[in-house]
Amino acid sequence: GAGVSQSPRYKVAKRGQDVALRCDPISGHVSLFWYQQALGQGPEFLTYFQNEAQLDKSGLPSDRFFAERPEGSVSTLKIQRTQQEDSAVYLCASSLPRRGNSYEQYFGPGTRLTVT
Amino acid sequence: AQSVTQLDSQVPVFEEAPVELRCNYSSSVSVYLFWYVQYPNQGLQLLLKYLSGSTLVKGINGFEAEFNKSQTSFHLRKPSVHISDTAEYFCAVSHALGGKLIFGQGTELSVKP
Repeated sequence: GAGVSQSPRYKVAKRGQDVALRCDPISGHVSLFWYQQALGQGPEFLTYFQNEAQLDKSGLPSDRFFAERPEGSVSTLKIQRTQQEDSAVYLCASSLPRRGNSYEQYFGPGTRLTVT
Repeated sequence: AQSVTQLDSQVPVFEEAPVELRCNYSSSVSVYLFWYVQYPNQGLQLLLKYLSGSTLVKGINGFEAEFNKSQTSFHLRKPSVHISDTAEYFCAVSHALGGKLIFGQGTELSVKP
């Protein structure tokens, strides 16, 4: 079956540009997570949705980062006025957290953002 | 606050040798523990997890891990590695089922012929 997909896979942005990263979760998965993975580091949590509600955005590094999931399915992570320190791989994960389920988060391949 | 420490950034090993990747965590509450593998240019794939019950958990590809509450460790082991096991391995914790994951820095496993 189809897994989590992300687009674009690679994005090069000039410093100061706005970017939008898309995540298509597994159909029916109610939970959606965004993580940021800097080069040589482990992923770091950015934000979490349950359906369309953004329940936790404590990991967003600045107010330049904004995420939405308006219909409880596809999510978009937007970064305004990109800076070089935003260069990283952005990972999306979805899960179906219900009793009897594994609570496993399924990850997409990521979007590699390079800010020049 | 929770944190995860992977004690080795790189582990080189010869094919068919045993391997152990170490993971320690700190948390003031109960945790759920995970190991993920990341192959180049791919997303993370779950190897195994500890939610409750038996402290020895078995995962895919012949990996296993043991939860040791007194030592706050969750080390990953495989008795005989293959070239195809070459990848980055991440230990992660969560304090809530279905909640966000806190990852370690990763361990690069390099299997040599």
